[in-house]
Amino acid sequence: KQEVTQIPAALSVPEGENLVLNCSFTDSAIYNLQWFRQDPGKGLTSLLLIQSSQREQTSGRLNASLDKSSGRSTLYIAASQPGDSATYLCAHDRGSQGNLIFGKGTKLSVKP
Amino acid sequence: EAEVAQSPRYKITEKSQAVAFWCDPISGHATLYWYRQILGQGPELLVQFQDESVVDDSQLPKDRFSAERLKGVDSTLKIQPAELGDSAMYLCASSFNNSPLHFGNGTRLTVT
Repeated sequence: KQEVTQIPAALSVPEGENLVLNCSFTDSAIYNLQWFRQDPGKGLTSLLLIQSSQREQTSGRLNASLDKSSGRSTLYIAASQPGDSATYLCAHDRGSQGNLIFGKGTKLSVKP
Repeated sequence: EAEVAQSPRYKITEKSQAVAFWCDPISGHATLYWYRQILGQGPELLVQFQDESVVDDSQLPKDRFSAERLKGVDSTLKIQPAELGDSAMYLCASSFNNSPLHFGNGTRLTVT
């Protein structure tokens, strides 16, 4: 069974810190990898999509990398802000972008 | 920005009752997805539509769940009869031409 593991499950940091969220997957045939943000009781917002041929994507203070050979992806958040507090989920697909396999997420709390 | 609309926002029902959820995707999005997210877990795909046709329903518990998208626009997901283990967030998402998924805010179902 394909599995996606996210470490840590929860993280609390002071405002301004740079931080890294980790995602590992067992499926060597992944196609795309995505990072999502989920606020409490809400749906998911796509943050970054790394296609199979790419190794990283950047958007503002966010940078995501993908290493398919080691089965790992990281999400780097620079200069964290209280508004970054949310659950961050990674997910991959096998060529059909809608059939996503999700991790359980990392719950991030940024303290002012 | 256009959004995926879902209703109701919350639903409480007794076990063995029938329940239905509605989703209106972003206009022009041919692909529609229903995901189920149990508390503390990542979402899992239940069914995927391309226009009015089911593309993937391999993880849909067909003895009690049904989904339709009759005109290829909005969609309904039904559970009959509901069981305690069906308590979860039901998320609808849509996409266009393999673009990243846009999620609605979900329907939170509680079965008592």
